[in-house]
Amino acid sequence: QKEVEQNSGPLSVPEGAIASLNCTYSDRGSQSFFWYRQYSGKSPELIMFIYSNGDKEDGRFTAQLNKASQYVSLLIRDSQPSDSATYLCAVNLSGGFKTIFGAGTRLFVKA
Amino acid sequence: EPEVTQTPSHQVTQMGQEVILRCVPISNHLYFYWYRQILGQKVEFLVSFYNNEISEKSEIFDDQFSVERPDGSNFTLKIRSTKLEDSAMYFCASSRGARGTGELFFGEGSRLTVL
Repeated sequence: QKEVEQNSGPLSVPEGAIASLNCTYSDRGSQSFFWYRQYSGKSPELIMFIYSNGDKEDGRFTAQLNKASQYVSLLIRDSQPSDSATYLCAVNLSGGFKTIFGAGTRLFVKA
Repeated sequence: EPEVTQTPSHQVTQMGQEVILRCVPISNHLYFYWYRQILGQKVEFLVSFYNNEISEKSEIFDDQFSVERPDGSNFTLKIRSTKLEDSAMYFCASSRGARGTGELFFGEGSRLTVL
């Protein structure tokens, strides 16, 4: 069974701090990795994707990928209360059309 | 900005009844999906659809489920005989192309309640 594992949290950070979210995956052949944000009662929203080892920055968000360790992370700089949500790590399984999600990490940003 | 639209937003049905959930994917997207999320649980893959056929399905997607793209815009999920455990939020999603099949754009969801 191919899995995506995340710490469920909650992760609580003060406003303006860096939030660090982590994810591991079991399918070694996976090539595409994603972070989604899900507000309570809403649908997931894509915020970052990363395909290559290393860092990818987009505004306040940085995704990091280490395929050898099967590890993906998301850093949120200058965290805002509006960033409070559940962050879902997702992995597109090798060779297919199936993207699977972790259970998500709940993030609270305290004003 | 183009978006995925889903109807109905909420459906209540009796156990054993048939339900059809409808979706209009983003117009230039080629890949279509159904996911579900039981309250408090993870988003689960049900099925992917490309070139008018199922490209992949999960073990959840048994004979009670079917998908169809009856015309150029709609994408439907049918549950033939609903069970209590089918109660969940069902999300339709679409994506642009092969490399980006995980770059999913989700609709707002259809909440299904089976009594």
